[in-house]
Order: sequence, then structure tokens, then C-alpha cells
Amino acid sequence: EVQLVQSGAEVKKPGESLKISCEGSGYSFTNYWINWVRQMPGKGLEWMGKIDPRDSYTDYSPSFQGHVTISTDKSISTAYLQWSSLKASDTAMYYCARRRELPGPDAFDIWGQGTMVTVSS
Amino acid sequence: DIQMTQSPSSLSASVGDRVTITCQASQDITDYLNWYQQKPGKAPKLLIYDASNLETGVPSRFSGSGSGTDFTFTISSLQPEDIATYYCQQFDNIITFGQGTRLEIK
Repeated sequence: EVQLVQSGAEVKKPGESLKISCEGSGYSFTNYWINWVRQMPGKGLEWMGKIDPRDSYTDYSPSFQGHVTISTDKSISTAYLQWSSLKASDTAMYYCARRRELPGPDAFDIWGQGTMVTVSS
Repeated sequence: DIQMTQSPSSLSASVGDRVTITCQASQDITDYLNWYQQKPGKAPKLLIYDASNLETGVPSRFSGSGSGTDFTFTISSLQPEDIATYYCQQFDNIITFGQGTRLEIK
């Protein structure tokens, strides 16, 4: 079964660092870009950025550039999203999503189950 | 960034009804548009890609049309399991989503 499995919910304090993960299985991990999408409580979807697992090339939304870092370890088929200093406004559900295989459309055909990040003092 | 204006923001319809959601782009995006369904507490699911192509395994009552700046998503006969929030997403430039349409059963 093709799937993305994300790490569990996190509760952090402002200023703390965090790295959440997204493990792919059932397919060739390096053949598909991984994207990250934020959903704040009760709100819509926001694209954060993407990574090519073959060479770790990244592309960020201007809204998130400099605030988060996307990385990957292709040896364990895992992508990461990390923060160096969390803010209360980072409280949200974070989804990883696989892009359909190139050269097709930039559509997300497989999604992780989501990781809820709560930042509170 | 390209802005996506989705309407209505919420919709109530009866089982068997034809349901239509529209999405308007702030500039021409040709057919670089996808539609997703998100049920409460679940991750989104891809339904339609490239404006009008049905994703594998998605029921044929779902369809999409449009090009340029104006797009339509249709459920031909609403089923109880279609209760969800629906999002359009453009990928012509920096990926952006519409604000979502919450669909409820009347």
C-alpha cells in the first residue's frame, strides 16, 4: 500500500525547536516530490513548500521562506519539516503530501494523516 | 501570488441534488487547477486534476470543468458521504488554494 505516515502530535513552548517527519512506503520515494501543507485550526489549506528527495532541492512559498526548513533522508524514505524557534501562531495541523509523478500536474495524490503541532506557554 | 476566489463558502443541499462550486483565479492559469475533498478530521483527497480529469477511483458523479480564470466543480447527485469541505488549488505559479466550500446535507 502506498502511504505517507507522519510523526505524532507535539506540544511545545514558544521559542523551542521542532522537527516532524513523514515516512513514505509502498513506492519509490525518490521518484516523487514531497510537499508540506499547513492548516490552522478551523481554517483552509496553505502550501508551505516542497522537496525533491533525489537531490534535496527545495522550493518554499514566500510566506514560509526563512520560517521553516524542509529536508529529507532518502536512505530511510523520510521527509522532515522543522522549526528553530516556534511561535504560538505555528499552532496548526501539518500535512505532508506526495506530488503526482512528473511530468504530470502539480497535484497531491497521497497525503499523510497529519501532525498536530500546539505551541503554548 | 495568484488569488483563488471560491464560492459559495458554504452550501446546504439535499441528497440527490446537483451541487456546483465555482473557483475564479485572479489571472489566467490555463487548466492548472485541481479539486480536493476534505472530510472532518481527515486529510484532503484529490478528486480532479488538470481542471477536468477524474482521479483514479473517484466516483463519476464528481466532475470538473473550465479553463483560464473560471472553473466549476460539480457533484451530479449528492450522496450522504459527500459531506465535506471542498478546495480548489492552482499550480500555475506558487501553489495556492481557494478558501474552501463547506457542504452540508439539508
